Amino acid sequence: GAVVSQHPSWVICKSGTSVKIECRSLDFQATTMFWYRQFPKQSLMLMATSNEGSKATYEQGVEKDKFLINHASLTLSTLTVTSAHPEDSSFYICSAHLVTQGGTEAFFGQGTRLTVV
Amino acid sequence: AQTVTQSQPEMSVQEAETVTLSCTYDTSESNYYLFWYKQPPSRQMILVIRQEAYKQQNATENRFSVNFQKAAKSFSLKISDSQLGDTAMYFCAFVGFGNEKLTFGTGTRLTIIP
Repeated sequence: GAVVSQHPSWVICKSGTSVKIECRSLDFQATTMFWYRQFPKQSLMLMATSNEGSKATYEQGVEKDKFLINHASLTLSTLTVTSAHPEDSSFYICSAHLVTQGGTEAFFGQGTRLTVV
Repeated sequence: AQTVTQSQPEMSVQEAETVTLSCTYDTSESNYYLFWYKQPPSRQMILVIRQEAYKQQNATENRFSVNFQKAAKSFSLKISDSQLGDTAMYFCAFVGFGNEKLTFGTGTRLTIIP
């Protein structure tokens, strides 16, 4: 199947600094990618839809100035957590969808565990 | 708006037994896809099985099968001959045809007991 690579898998940063997380579709092009946040023992919460060549679409309640999304190419989307604070500590997951004759399927990155200290 | 409900937060079964995970959903759409995803302790999301709503036949993938009841908006997952590696969180998910946003259920934590 298709592969989505997310990097880094974990990161620790100091409060007030910014962290960039990359999401790459390795063997297919993705005009749309998705960023999720997952709290411990909870489901995936959609943060935003990343659109290649245009602005991201944020879900209600997600601060667009804190979570900057850039989708500059058909294989790369980045999520930058700006001025990170301890409450931003979480597990972040990206996904890209592949549409084939058989239908649509989502492929997920490995996730990034962010710890802000 | 679509909603997906998983009413079993946790389940546990003995190895080699069969277990069924429940999922119900609500939508006004007639064409859509349903999925079961597995999230093991590594937290990598893995597709277990997919069902197209227009197909009446229930999807099967080796030990995994679904019972899709479109009228009842029910989509349960049956795991046969359960194995220790099946221990994971299982999420039911919905996406409308022509849409790309997945709607996830709250998940069921499944533990296979040796």
